[in-house]
Amino acid sequence: DQQVKQNSPSLSVQEGRISILNCDYTNSMFDYFLWYKKYPAEGPTFLISISSIKDKNEDGRFTVFLNKSAKHLSLHIVPSQPGDSAVYFCAASPMGNTNAGKSTFGDGTTLTVKP
Amino acid sequence: NAGVMQNPRHLVRRRGQEARLRCSPMKGHSHVYWYRQLPEEGLKFMVYLQKENIIDESGMPKERFSAEFPKEGPSILRIQQVVRGDSAAYFCASSPGPGTYNEQFFGPGTRLTVL
Repeated sequence: DQQVKQNSPSLSVQEGRISILNCDYTNSMFDYFLWYKKYPAEGPTFLISISSIKDKNEDGRFTVFLNKSAKHLSLHIVPSQPGDSAVYFCAASPMGNTNAGKSTFGDGTTLTVKP
Repeated sequence: NAGVMQNPRHLVRRRGQEARLRCSPMKGHSHVYWYRQLPEEGLKFMVYLQKENIIDESGMPKERFSAEFPKEGPSILRIQQVVRGDSAAYFCASSPGPGTYNEQFFGPGTRLTVL
């Protein structure tokens, strides 16, 4: 049973447009959500996060939205740039100090931004 | 300010041999996580360690796999009697401490190929 799902394996957008990457989760114990970006042959790098007490967090061109009732979050990138082309992973962490570090990852969405 | 180091970057083993993967966390980080990424899949949590302690090994296969994070030296993920299905990218991540919702910092991964 996959607890974090990224239903779109790939997404292609034009440079300058908005990219919207979606993520759904099933476990109500998750209360902290993260997005990571991964280039080929490299490890994932942290992009942005959001706590369950918020519904929006913004950092430059990146904004994460959280809808707790729908158990859904999304990452918006605007404007999209060719350098944003990568695999994006959604991750979720549960409540509790002992579990704070353990993240459950989705399978990723490959974003391609065309010049 | 070195990041998370993993070695080797590439490891080739024949069926039945042992594989040892090493991970040095970022300076000041005392928490280490190991993930496995099979082709076309996301990162799957394997084990969460602190110095000299295994905190959560719920993602580790019951046989042939073990992990340690000694007081001195890197964390080691050990796979005994490797099989072809063990071929994957193994990522190590580290974070600063307990009870905080810190993002994880990933190493570049070790790509294990079992012939």
